[in-house]
Amino acid sequence: NAGVTQTPKFQVLKTGQSMTLQCAQDMNHEYMSWYRQDPGMGLRLIHYSVGAGITDQGEVPNGYNVSRSTTEDFPLRLLSAAPSQTSVYFCASSRQGYSYGYTFGSGTRLTVV
Amino acid sequence: KQEVTQIPAALSVPEGENLVLNCSFTDSAIYNLQWFRQDPGKGLTSLLLIQSSQREQTSGRLNASLDKSSGRSTLYIAASQPGDSATYLCAVRPGILYSGGGADGLTFGKGTHLIIQP
Repeated sequence: NAGVTQTPKFQVLKTGQSMTLQCAQDMNHEYMSWYRQDPGMGLRLIHYSVGAGITDQGEVPNGYNVSRSTTEDFPLRLLSAAPSQTSVYFCASSRQGYSYGYTFGSGTRLTVV
Repeated sequence: KQEVTQIPAALSVPEGENLVLNCSFTDSAIYNLQWFRQDPGKGLTSLLLIQSSQREQTSGRLNASLDKSSGRSTLYIAASQPGDSATYLCAVRPGILYSGGGADGLTFGKGTHLIIQP
């Protein structure tokens, strides 16, 4: 099925470990973005990309890196995991155009102990 | 910085009632506005998208309106059903977007947690 695929669905990390959350879309969308969702804080933008090779920071970028080498993939890297990064992470993609909205993946639930 | 506020934060009503959920945003320079539904422990499902030049959109029992100049949107749910119970999220996309560049990403409100009692 066409859509946004996130892997893994669940992950437990120890403080200081690094990992990459994968995100892939097969809709040839130009725009992709990462969000974290925390109780009481809602969804907040971490990083976004407006095309292959172009990325920029969102509201809460510290502790995360991204790259966009292909249109399809937009991985999110945690360099040195901290308990404050325990959250649910969502990836999303969209076409350019006023009539297009974002399509979201099913999320990755990350716990840092 | 764009800020999005949703009122009320929670709502519990008997089934059959017509409901209005409110969303306000501080910067009127938006590209479009989306309403999403999120069930507990699940992802986001897009319900309606309103382009910045539009006033409203309808899908089944849902109707969303947009007043960009005043920074407000409402989601109207007609004849509510227990299956409508979920959290409803409003999100705006910035108005600085062009091919291969610009600012992007969504700014979300914190949502309205809706319970429809059978």
